[in-house]
Order: sequence, then structure tokens, then C-alpha cells
Amino acid sequence: EVQLVESGGGSIQSGGSLRLACAASGFTFSGYEMNWVRQAPGKGLEWVSYINSNGGTIYYADSVKGRLTISRDNAKNSLYLQMSNLRAEDTAVYYCARGDDYGSGSLDLWGQGILVTVSS
Amino acid sequence: SYELTQTLSVSVALGQTARITCEGDNIGSENVHWYQQKSGQAPVLVIYRDNNRPSGIPERFSGSNSGNTATLTISRAQAGDEADYYCQVWDTTTHAVFGGGTKLTVV
Repeated sequence: EVQLVESGGGSIQSGGSLRLACAASGFTFSGYEMNWVRQAPGKGLEWVSYINSNGGTIYYADSVKGRLTISRDNAKNSLYLQMSNLRAEDTAVYYCARGDDYGSGSLDLWGQGILVTVSS
Repeated sequence: SYELTQTLSVSVALGQTARITCEGDNIGSENVHWYQQKSGQAPVLVIYRDNNRPSGIPERFSGSNSGNTATLTISRAQAGDEADYYCQVWDTTTHAVFGGGTKLTVV
């Protein structure tokens, strides 16, 4: 089955660190661009970060630059998000999402999401 | 930075046609994608590159994009279509940009 499964979420105090993981299966992970997208409680979708298929190109939203780090391990079919110096406003459900085959920027496969709660 | 504006909510009668709009500066020159998010679930891509449906998405879902407005059209609306809908483009400076979302209610 083609799927993405996030793990590593939980509750953390402000200033703390957390590492999210996203396990891919059912498709050739190394051939796809990947993204992290988050959704604060009751709010809309916010793009967080992008990584291309070989990890050589990375982008971040301004709101997380310098605090969150995206990476991938194609040998393990896994995507990661290292989160440090966390703030209350980082509280959200975090989704990993696959970029489409066409390079047009659509996100054609999403994980179920993982909740990160940052308390002050 | 590029911004996308969506109406907060749209209401449609069962079996009628719903139109959800997404406004952005010259959005007609961008590839617009649409996502459906039902309560408590992850988003699902329903339209990509303005007017293309992924496998498994009903033909009732269609899209258009011209000028400053992109539109998601849902024909013969069903109760199961109730959800939040988000438009999205990929901008070279701000990268993935989402609209604020539209809540669709089927009455």
C-alpha cells in the first residue's frame, strides 16, 4: 500500500527539541520531492519545508527558518524534521506530503499527521 | 510574498453545484491545486494543475483558472462533500502557498 506514516510527536516545553519522522512505503521514495505541512488547532494549512529527491535542495518557511531542519534517508525510505527552540506557536498537527510526478508543486500523498504540542 | 484569498464558507443545496473560489494576483499564470480536508482527517488532493483529477476523484469535481481567480466546482453536491477546501500554488519565492480555506456545507 502506498502510504506515509508520521511518528515522533508529543508534548514538549517551550525551548525544547523534537524529531519527527515520516516512513514511506509502496512507492520509490528516492524519486520524489517531499514536504512538511502543519496545521495549528482550528486553523488552515501552513507549508513548513521542502526537500528535493536527493536532499540537495531545501527550502523553509520564514516562520521556522533556523529552528527546524528537514532531512531524508533514501536508504531507509524516511523523511525527518528536527525541531529545536520550539515555541507555543509551533503547536500543530504536522503532515509529511509527497510532491507530484510533474514538478508542478501539488502534494499528491499525505500522511495521517502527528500532533506536536508546545507548552510555555 | 504571494497570497491566496478564499471565501470563509460556502453553502450548497444537496444535488446542486458548489463553486469555491481562490483569488490571487494573476493566478491564471500559476498551476493551482485543490485539497479536500474532512473533519479530523488529512488533506486529499482533488484537483491538480488547474483542472486535472487524480485517480479516484469523482468527475463531479472540476477546476478552472483564469485572470485573478481559480475556481473549484463540485457538481451534484453530496453530503459526503462537506469539508474544508484549500487552494495552493507553488511560488518561486514563498514556495508552497495555501489559501485560508473554505468550509463547504451541504444543506
